[in-house]
Amino acid sequence: KNEVEQSPQNLTAQEGEFITINCSYSVGISALHWLQQHPGGGIVSLFMLSSGKKKHGRLIATINIQEKHSSLHITASHPRDSAVYICAVRSQETSGSRLTFGEGTQLTVNP
Amino acid sequence: DGGITQSPKYLFRKEGQNVTLSCEQNLNHDAMYWYRQDPGQGLRLIYYSQIVNDFQKGDIAEGYSVSREKKESFPLTVTSAQKNPTAFYLCASSFRGEQPQHFGDGTRLSIL
Repeated sequence: KNEVEQSPQNLTAQEGEFITINCSYSVGISALHWLQQHPGGGIVSLFMLSSGKKKHGRLIATINIQEKHSSLHITASHPRDSAVYICAVRSQETSGSRLTFGEGTQLTVNP
Repeated sequence: DGGITQSPKYLFRKEGQNVTLSCEQNLNHDAMYWYRQDPGQGLRLIYYSQIVNDFQKGDIAEGYSVSREKKESFPLTVTSAQKNPTAFYLCASSFRGEQPQHFGDGTRLSIL
């Protein structure tokens, strides 16, 4: 079993829909990251969380440390949101800034 | 603008050849990382370096080598010992400690 599991693996939505991507992890963590990978392959960091909730524009990320679970929400989705969304965690037991990554969720938003 | 530059974007290698992937950053970051991405799998750490002239193996270091002679540069060599080198390779960097990683645009390596 992977230390970081994401669901769903693939998600198709219509423009304007509210989207939720989930991430569960099995280790104690010091931080959780949400990343966005564009079709060309480049990756952008969206959020880094250690507790609570963060919001940036139409994106909201939440984390529940006790339940070892995080969600990424996209409100009023748009075709330009189509990308792979990746959850990554920094384990409390690892040194440096090493991250463990989920397999990603492929999001497609249709106009 | 500051960022991470990976080159080339596409790279082809004949079997038995070593190839070197370039990663340069001008963000003044201390730490640099190399990841491999395969279809249907999460990113896997190959090597990382937290300071110049020092680096550590990640989870899949066999068949790869790195150097960190300058803060700005962290080249990755894919040696002929790597039996399945076809993949997408991503370089990242960060300040030390609890900081987000910044990623390059990646290099796609294929075997001819």
